[in-house]
Amino acid sequence: NAGVTQTPKFQVLKTGQSMTLQCAQDMNHEYMSWYRQDPGMGLRLIHYSVGAGITDQGEVPNGYNVSRSTTEDFPLRLLSAAPSQTSVYFCASSYGPDTQYFGPGTRLTVL
Amino acid sequence: AQRVTQPEKLLSVFKGAPVELKCNYSYSGSPELFWYVQYSRQRLQLLLRHISRESIKGFTADLNKGETSFHLKKPFAQEEDSAMYYCAHLSGGYNKLIFGAGTRLAVHP
Repeated sequence: NAGVTQTPKFQVLKTGQSMTLQCAQDMNHEYMSWYRQDPGMGLRLIHYSVGAGITDQGEVPNGYNVSRSTTEDFPLRLLSAAPSQTSVYFCASSYGPDTQYFGPGTRLTVL
Repeated sequence: AQRVTQPEKLLSVFKGAPVELKCNYSYSGSPELFWYVQYSRQRLQLLLRHISRESIKGFTADLNKGETSFHLKKPFAQEEDSAMYYCAHLSGGYNKLIFGAGTRLAVHP
């Protein structure tokens, strides 16, 4: 059981570039979510999904897109990267939204 | 908006001292509250949830509806308790887990 995996671990982008952060889980969890972690602001929910084909916005969805075509995968797309999106991104999964299992994180820097 | 407030960014104590990490929430109904912990170079993980009323690693947290608080307590801190602690609240029809800003606990020998 790999749990929740995220790739890449580190990424540097230039302003305006696009990229996709990958997240996968092998626990057959219905609920998946994406957070960003910033100093002094804790974890903020970007988008979440309660099952394949269903996604919804969290607290800070602007500039990010998600899709959930399978139970296992929940990629996060940055459409046009901005320096304000420099952060550590965490993916999480669970049977429900309460007891979530987190991935190791992706550290993203936008220059 | 439903909020979780952790007023302290850093809490520094000596080994063996009592610890109280503060968490206040703004919600008028029946809240679902949690404490998550992130040790150095480890993943964020659930520490405890108020509904189970359990003690994990010597930590307890009691929901006080009158004060809208869910403070995390431990009578005798250990060095291995040093970590980042996040209070979280289920929101949005119980579909969203909303975190506070976090408190870093540093336990000194």
